Amino acid sequence: AQSVAQPEDQVNVAEGNPLTVKCTYSVSGNPYLFWYVQYPNRGLQFLLKYITGDNLVKGSYGFEAEFNKSQTSFHLKKPSALVSDSALYFCAVTRGSAGNMLTFGGGTRLMVKP
Amino acid sequence: SQTIHQWPATLVQPVGSPLSLECTVEGTSNPNLYWYRQAAGRGLQLLFYSVGIGQISSEVPQNLSASRPQDRQFILSSKKLLLSDSGFYLCAWRGSYNSPLHFGNGTRLTVT
Repeated sequence: AQSVAQPEDQVNVAEGNPLTVKCTYSVSGNPYLFWYVQYPNRGLQFLLKYITGDNLVKGSYGFEAEFNKSQTSFHLKKPSALVSDSALYFCAVTRGSAGNMLTFGGGTRLMVKP
Repeated sequence: SQTIHQWPATLVQPVGSPLSLECTVEGTSNPNLYWYRQAAGRGLQLLFYSVGIGQISSEVPQNLSASRPQDRQFILSSKKLLLSDSGFYLCAWRGSYNSPLHFGNGTRLTVT
């Protein structure tokens, strides 16, 4: 079975400060990892993915994430938060090339205050 | 480019009434298709997925069903809605095994 944990229900940061949204996963075999963002009453938008290669992946809107195999983590980061980054963020995992299903974490609400 | 259409955007239905939500994908062929439900603006629950026409896998037993009559069409149905069926329903598609899911804009279903 595969699972994702997002330990923080909400993260609060001030605009201009760096932000981190945490994600840990459990999966057999090589993980394929994804981050999504959701704005109110909208579908999820893809931000970035880790499949293989460099542990630091860069995605949309200045976000990046670091894959750490030993800690089974894939934390989302941004050097300087914007108020417009306030949204719900989801981490997801699937099992390598054999995975048809993505398993999502429970989501973390990011609040960026001016 | 690929696009995904999901409708209606909102729906209010009485308990016991039928349901039909439709999702279509354009610009790709033989996609994997998915129905998720999101309750209370939080976690996503996978309801059904399909790897081809007529091939449906159910992840959670409930009074919902899904069908894939055409390659790029995915339909979520119910014969009799329950109050607990209220939620935000999201359709998604995926191409190759290393590609992300792409979501539609969702349907907000309220069962009264």
